Amino acid sequence: GAGVSQSPRYKVAKRGQDVALRCDPISGHVSLFWYQQALGQGPEFLTYFQNEAQLDKSGLPSDRFFAERPEGSVSTLKIQRTQQEDSAVYLCASSSQGLNTEAFFGQGTRLTVV
Amino acid sequence: QQPVQSPQAVILREGEDAVINCSSSKALYSVHWYRQKHGEAPVFLMILLKGGEQKGHEKISASFNEKKQQSSLYLTASQLSYSGTYFCGSGGVNTGFQKLVFGTGTRLLVSP
Repeated sequence: GAGVSQSPRYKVAKRGQDVALRCDPISGHVSLFWYQQALGQGPEFLTYFQNEAQLDKSGLPSDRFFAERPEGSVSTLKIQRTQQEDSAVYLCASSSQGLNTEAFFGQGTRLTVV
Repeated sequence: QQPVQSPQAVILREGEDAVINCSSSKALYSVHWYRQKHGEAPVFLMILLKGGEQKGHEKISASFNEKKQQSSLYLTASQLSYSGTYFCGSGGVNTGFQKLVFGTGTRLLVSP
C-alpha cells in the first residue's frame, strides 16, 4: 500500500478483555516496529521484527503483551487481560533494510481501557 | 535514558525562527527528527549520522554535536504548516536496527 495502515483506529476495551491491533506495513519493508505513545509523551519502543523474526522485544511492558509477524508482512500486537495503564496510542512503523533509515509510521490505534 | 528536549513549548508568529534542542545523557550515534501533528502519525524530517553533521531541507535544518551529545533543529521563517510536536530520537550504533529512544517532545505553534 501507499503507507503504513493500522486497524482499528480506535478501540475501547473493558478491563480484562483481550485486544488485537493490526499493522499493514509498506510493501517490501523488512523492518517493522511497534511503539506505545502515552498522551503528551514521545513514542516508546515496544518490539522490532526483521521479516518474520522478532529480534527485540525488550520494550514490551509485561507478558500480557505479545506481537507476531508470521509471514513477514502484516503484524499483530495482542494485549491480554487489558488494564487501565495500557490505555495509549499504539504506533506501528516500517522501514527498508538497513541501519539508520527513515521509518514510516502509521496513524496508530488509540486504545482506551475502561 | 530519554533525551531531553527544550523548550517544552514555543509559540511563534508566521515568519519567525525557532531552535529546538535535544540533549542526551548517553552517547548519541545518530539523531532522527520527526514532527507529529495532533492525531496523526509522526513524520520523518531528517537523520543526522555523524558528529558535527548538518543537514537541511528547505527552511528546516539540524546540527549534531556528538561530543556534546546534542542536536538542534532550526526552523527558519516558520510557516503555519510547521505547527506540531517535534521529537528527536536517538539511535544506537550497534543495535543493527532503528531502536529509537524518543525525546520528551517540543510543541510548536505557529500563528498567523
